[in-house]
Amino acid sequence: QVQLVESGGGVVQPGGSLRLSCAASGFSFSSYGMHWVRQAPGKGLEWVAFIRSDGSSKYYADSVKGRFTISRDNSKNTLYLQMNSLRPEDTAVYYCSKRGDSGSYSIDYWGQGTLVTVSS
Amino acid sequence: QSALTQPASVSGSPGQSITISCTGTSSDVGAYNYVSWYQQHPGKAPKLMIYDVTNRPSGVSNRFSGSKSGNTASLTISGLQAEDEADYYCYSYTRSSTWVFGGGTKLTVL
Repeated sequence: QVQLVESGGGVVQPGGSLRLSCAASGFSFSSYGMHWVRQAPGKGLEWVAFIRSDGSSKYYADSVKGRFTISRDNSKNTLYLQMNSLRPEDTAVYYCSKRGDSGSYSIDYWGQGTLVTVSS
Repeated sequence: QSALTQPASVSGSPGQSITISCTGTSSDVGAYNYVSWYQQHPGKAPKLMIYDVTNRPSGVSNRFSGSKSGNTASLTISGLQAEDEADYYCYSYTRSSTWVFGGGTKLTVL
């Protein structure tokens, strides 16, 4: 069964950096594009970034462009999100998620999320 | 990248049907048949309910259905059950090669 397990969340000061990881199992990781989605406390879902299966293309929300970098290591079945110049408004649960089958533009599996808190 | 527009809340009694709308633009919802819907219970990860406007993943009840007209997509839940009470989000691919969520709708089963 598909499993996505995020790690790396925690408390960081404004302007600081953090790297999130997502360990994937139960599917052919190198065959699927992957997303990061976040959810601020008590708020809705916000798409953050997407990376193609081979890492050749990456796409970002305007709110994180230039500050966040999505990457992957297909030999380790792991997805990453490097977050720099963090702001209080980046405080959220960050979900790693898998693109749907057959080139679908949906998300079919989600991790349980990791909480990032940006606060002094 | 403005969020898609959903009603903040909808409600219905058990057995009734409800519809949640999701309004975007010709650059997202209206551009492709790539709208999906997610159910989220408190403290849980979202769950895919509808993909590509009308398709139900295996295991999702046929009480859930999706449709689209122009720049507005809709999720209909028939035969409402207590367990359907949750937040619902629409999600669309855009012409900018990005994705955007709706603001979310809280469904209350009376």
